[in-house]
Amino acid sequence: DIQMTQSPSTLSASAGDRVTIACRASESINRWMAWYQQKPGKAPKLLIWDASNLESGVPSRFSGSGSGTEFTLTISSLQPDDFATYYCQQYVSFPRTFGQGTKVEVK
Amino acid sequence: EVQLVESGGGMVQPGGSLRLSCAASGFTFSYHYIDWVRQAPGKGLEWVGRSRNKANGYTTEYAASVKGRFTISRDDSTSTVSLLMNSLKTEDTAVYYCVRVLRGGDCFDYWGQGTLVTVTS
Repeated sequence: DIQMTQSPSTLSASAGDRVTIACRASESINRWMAWYQQKPGKAPKLLIWDASNLESGVPSRFSGSGSGTEFTLTISSLQPDDFATYYCQQYVSFPRTFGQGTKVEVK
Repeated sequence: EVQLVESGGGMVQPGGSLRLSCAASGFTFSYHYIDWVRQAPGKGLEWVGRSRNKANGYTTEYAASVKGRFTISRDDSTSTVSLLMNSLKTEDTAVYYCVRVLRGGDCFDYWGQGTLVTVTS
């Protein structure tokens, strides 16, 4: 199984901050990577797919980059609505696997 | 509007069975793969399994943790997917999400609201 490791596990930030979350795959996944946002009590929401494609309706302050084993999700200017938990996920092979999550909390 | 609505969750004893259903609407169901993803209380996301479409033989995939115990089936005539869970264990306690697989990608572009399964004696 491909292991996905996110860092940090928790990130304290303020509105307006630039935020970067990293995700490392245990082997190359090319660009078969997605990022999701989840708020408490809600289902996850797709933000980024194929490493850098912004899902329709997602604000342009979100961006994704990377290939192979190293990936990042960047929020250019954190908004109050962005405090949530973020997950990366690989879809190059089965079983599909997720990172453990990064919680973005208020500093 | 794309909608996925899960039902069938509840409380069951270890060793018991439960069938979850996912009713889809707002898109051409027969074109899409449908997966199940679960989330144990306070934990991260875990992929459970996949149902492929008719064009791909209605084949399925399962996580090792559920293989042989869980079965996914679909009915294109009613736009529903079912997850039959047998020999349930306490570690199967989770919110179960039905998710649509993005065509042209392979990630999950729409999620249901989830249904809670609690396995307890």
